[in-house]
Amino acid sequence: GQNIDQPTEMTATEGAIVQINCTYQTSGFNGLFWYQQHAGEAPTFLSYNVLDGLEEKGRFSSFLSRSKGYSYLLLKELQMKDSASYLCAVKGYSTLTFGKGTMLLVSP
Amino acid sequence: SAVISQKPSRDICQRGTSLTIQCQVDSQVTMMFWYRQQPGQSLTLIATANQGSEATYESGFVIDKFPISRPNLTFSTLTVSNMSPEDSSIYLCSATGLAGDYEQYFGPGTRLTVT
Repeated sequence: GQNIDQPTEMTATEGAIVQINCTYQTSGFNGLFWYQQHAGEAPTFLSYNVLDGLEEKGRFSSFLSRSKGYSYLLLKELQMKDSASYLCAVKGYSTLTFGKGTMLLVSP
Repeated sequence: SAVISQKPSRDICQRGTSLTIQCQVDSQVTMMFWYRQQPGQSLTLIATANQGSEATYESGFVIDKFPISRPNLTFSTLTVSNMSPEDSSIYLCSATGLAGDYEQYFGPGTRLTVT
């Protein structure tokens, strides 16, 4: 089975940097995804890591260490619109299993 | 990329009735899935919709309660049967498997309230 842990809530200030951690234990690993979900909306894709290392995409970066079962999502130059839930998800053999999500609140 | 649409977007239903949710993808995809997201919770996979055969259900979900169809590569339905208030949730369709694309896409969801 899959076990995915991430913090429930985080707060940060506009313009700052925040790191959201995710640890996982899985039977089968074919990649780790990060999604952003605003209240009442569908999840939107942010990043995908299948090999160890850092993937950078604009203000968002994601890191993966397969040996440690660890990933983080780094958000830079935070904006108010970044207030949302951030979901860590692990792909097993064919399906995606989601963590409980981290609610990020960005304040002025 | 793929765009996924769902119908209805929301519904209010009485207990004991059934609701069928439709999912349409604008591209031929390999795999389609149905998720449930209860208020304040993350996404839970209900089943994988298999084209032309019975869906593959996750632990805790059964075909009698959540019958699923997938007649072709771009369309699927999920029925929530004999509903109770505990079935109040958002139901999301998802798809993946576009050629050369690893992303898993999500529909806008169907918000179901059972009274």
